[in-house]
Amino acid sequence: EVQLLESGGGLVQPGGSLRLSCAASGFTFSDYGMSWVRQAPGKGLEWVSGISGSGVRTYYADSVKGRFTISRDNSQNTMYLQMNSLRAEDTAVYYCARSSITPWDYWGQGTLVTVSS
Amino acid sequence: QAGLTQPPSVSKGLRQTATLTCTGNSNNVGNQGAAWLQQHQGHPPKLLSYRNNNRPSGISERLSTSRSGNTASLTITGLQPEDEADYYCSAWDSSLNAWVFGGGTKLTVL
Repeated sequence: EVQLLESGGGLVQPGGSLRLSCAASGFTFSDYGMSWVRQAPGKGLEWVSGISGSGVRTYYADSVKGRFTISRDNSQNTMYLQMNSLRAEDTAVYYCARSSITPWDYWGQGTLVTVSS
Repeated sequence: QAGLTQPPSVSKGLRQTATLTCTGNSNNVGNQGAAWLQQHQGHPPKLLSYRNNNRPSGISERLSTSRSGNTASLTITGLQPEDEADYYCSAWDSSLNAWVFGGGTKLTVL
């Protein structure tokens, strides 16, 4: 059974940093591109960042470019999102999801990031 | 990054048919089509269809998708109470090298 489990969310002050993790199981992790998608309270889905199966190619939304870094460790079946210089508008539930082959077929339950003083 | 355009809300009666639209451009929807996702309050999104009416197993046959130019459509027939949810479209934008989402359509079943 495919499972994606996010962790690392929490309350952080503006300008602070957080590192999110997405632990995957039930499939060959390195075969799939993965993405982070966020959803601000009461708002729609926003793609944040994606990474190829090998980790060589990375992609970012303009809203996070230069502040967020996506990475993966295929030996640990885990994807990461390092978030720096956080702003209030980064407050959202952050989901990890598979985004290649059959895009968006599996999602985690999400982890809440709150940026507030 | 410009997103895809979806109507904010659609309301239809029980057992009626709803058609939701998603408009992009030749770099995204017009290129590889769109995926459609359903989201109930408090839950992660669920994939309904991807690229030209491919439905994952377990998705109701009451759902179908189509595309005309840069506009993708999701049609749900025989609306049921459980169809009331938010629906999002998504496509890879080959010009932006980014995934784009629509703003979502809230479907209300009366």
